Amino acid sequence: DIQMTQSPSTLSASIGDRVTITCRASQTINSWLAWYQQKPGKAPKLLIYKASILESGVPSRFSGSGSGTDFTLTISSLQPDDFATYYCQQYHSYLTFGPGTKVDIK
Amino acid sequence: QVQLQESGPGLVKPSQTLSLTCTVSGDSISNAAYYWSWIRQPAGGGLEWLGRVYPSGSTDNNPSLKSRVTLSIDTSKNQFSLKLISVTAADTAVYYCARDVRVGGLDYWGQGTLVTVSS
Repeated sequence: DIQMTQSPSTLSASIGDRVTITCRASQTINSWLAWYQQKPGKAPKLLIYKASILESGVPSRFSGSGSGTDFTLTISSLQPDDFATYYCQQYHSYLTFGPGTKVDIK
Repeated sequence: QVQLQESGPGLVKPSQTLSLTCTVSGDSISNAAYYWSWIRQPAGGGLEWLGRVYPSGSTDNNPSLKSRVTLSIDTSKNQFSLKLISVTAADTAVYYCARDVRVGGLDYWGQGTLVTVSS
């Protein structure tokens, strides 16, 4: 089984901050990684797939990078709508989600 | 516009079988470009992938659930289904269905349905 970890588990930030979330896989997954945003009571929303490809309609302030085992999600300038929980997910072998990173207001 | 909608009982007794159906609109479930997945999320918890079904009817299951999960697809109704046997309180969660792009993650999700396991 491929295990996913994320850091930090919680991140406090202000509007306009640059935010970076890290995701690590227990073994190489090439670039088979997606990022999701989830708000309370809602289904997750796909932001990025194949590690760095922005899903259609997602603001360009979101970006992803990495390959192999280490990945990052960056929000270049945090907006009010971005306070949410973010999950990474590998799809190299079946699907596994990371534990999530909650981004809240500082 | 692709839409997915979960349906099924919101309350299941311990040791019984949880059964859910996902109805897809705006796309054919027979489209070879996609798989169809189930994911669940306990209250305050993270996301757990349960498995996926292919248009052909083949399935992949999460090994951690062993043989408790059965997935099926009905192309005539544009639906796919989940059965989870021998449920316990630990299976209480919001259950989501989602479209699984072969190389691109889970791009469309249902709104989720809460299933509570309780006597």
